[in-house]
Amino acid sequence: EAQVTQNPRYLITVTGKKLTVTCSQNMNHEYMSWYRQDPGLGLRQIYYSMNVEVTDKGDVPEGYKVSRKEKRNFPLILESPSPNQTSLYFCASSLSPTARGYTFGSGTRLTVV
Amino acid sequence: GEDVEQSLFLSVREGDSSVINCTYTDSSSTYLYWYKQEPGAGLQLLTYIFSNMDMKQDQRLTVLLNKKDKHLSLRIADTQTGDSAIYFCAEYTGTASKLTFGTGTRLQVTL
Repeated sequence: EAQVTQNPRYLITVTGKKLTVTCSQNMNHEYMSWYRQDPGLGLRQIYYSMNVEVTDKGDVPEGYKVSRKEKRNFPLILESPSPNQTSLYFCASSLSPTARGYTFGSGTRLTVV
Repeated sequence: GEDVEQSLFLSVREGDSSVINCTYTDSSSTYLYWYKQEPGAGLQLLTYIFSNMDMKQDQRLTVLLNKKDKHLSLRIADTQTGDSAIYFCAEYTGTASKLTFGTGTRLQVTL
């Protein structure tokens, strides 16, 4: 089944403890992106990648890192999480972001205390 | 600049039509989308419209685009309880390969 898989689905962590949210897609998509969803703000792009080893900042990149060493994987790294990073995170991938839009993962709900 | 706005909430009766509205500000948008988010799930692409079109119909869904007013709407005919969800409009301008999303409209379908 074609899908975007994120792990974990739920995570509670403490301020400053490094964490990684994994994202993997099995559709051979070149484009991948991370979004965060916050009430009243919709979804905002954190980072995106147009291909292996090509990544760039989105609208809200502060406090996050990404890497794209393989086409299928696009992990999101929080080196020192803070409470304002408590949010619902979505990974998405696309063959072409235009007519096909993005395929989204099921989301990771992160709470930083 | 990019800004996409939607009303936060819409309540309709089962069987009625729902119309969800969206306004955007970036006139260079090439594609506009409607996504559906059910509780606890990711976003599912419902439909999209290219900027040179003014209407697109897909079964119970009708998308209308007014480029002059930068207004996009999604009409759901014969709304069912399974249509209860949050609906997001989004625009693609080619910048940063990203979609810019609206704040989402929560559709509640009552019996």
